[in-house]
Amino acid sequence: NAGVMQNPRHLVRRRGQEARLRCSPMKGHSHVYWYRQLPEEGLKFMVYLQKENIIDESGMPKERFSAEFPKEGPSILRIQQVVRGDSAAYFCASSPNGEATGYGYTFGSGTRLTVV
Amino acid sequence: QKEVEQDPGPLSVPEGAIVSLNCTYSNSAFQYFMWYRQYSRKGPELLMYTYSSGNKEDGRFTAQLNKASQYVSLLIRDSQPSDSATYLCAATTGGFKTIFGAGTRLFVKA
Repeated sequence: NAGVMQNPRHLVRRRGQEARLRCSPMKGHSHVYWYRQLPEEGLKFMVYLQKENIIDESGMPKERFSAEFPKEGPSILRIQQVVRGDSAAYFCASSPNGEATGYGYTFGSGTRLTVV
Repeated sequence: QKEVEQDPGPLSVPEGAIVSLNCTYSNSAFQYFMWYRQYSRKGPELLMYTYSSGNKEDGRFTAQLNKASQYVSLLIRDSQPSDSATYLCAATTGGFKTIFGAGTRLFVKA
C-alpha cells in the first residue's frame, strides 16, 4: 500500500522556467493538500483540492502558481516563470475526507525545488 | 504574532532523558491539536492528536493540552536516538486547514 507519492524528489530550474510538481495521493484518498516549507519556517498551506475541484486556494500566490487534481492522474502544482524565492520544499498530503483531525494528513516526502 | 509558536531549538539530550517540547497558540478558536514528527529530508508524520484539555498518552509519548493557557506540549520518555527529528506542533479550528508551527529540532545522543 504505497503512501503519498511525490515526484520528482529534487527539481532544479533556472529563473523564468516552469516547474511542475506531481502528487499521487494514498489509495482511497480523494482530498489533496499542498504545503510549502521554507528553511527554519513551518509548513504553509497553499491549496486544497478534491477531484476536479479547487476547494480553497487562499494560501497560493495569485500569480504564477496554479494547481489541479484531474479526474485521472496525479495532482499537479505548477509554478510558471520561477524566481529564486520559489526555492523551497513542497509537500503534498492526502486524507480520506476533508478533515485535518483524527488521522490527520498523510504526507509525501516532498519535492525540493531549487531555482538557480 | 504567529498563530502557532515553538522554540526552534535545537534541543540536545542524552539517551534515556525525558524531553518536553512546548508550543503556544494565539487563536482561541483552535479546537484540535496535533504533533507531527519530521525526519530530515522526509515528510511529516502524525504522532499524536488531542482536542480536550489534559493528557493523552501513547507509549513513550504524552500530549498535554491546556486550553485556558493556550499551551500544548509533547513529553517523550526514555528518549532514543531514533527520536532525533524536528517536531511540528499543529492546530486547526476544524475542517481541513491546519496551521503548523516552525518546529523544534531534537537531537538524542547515544
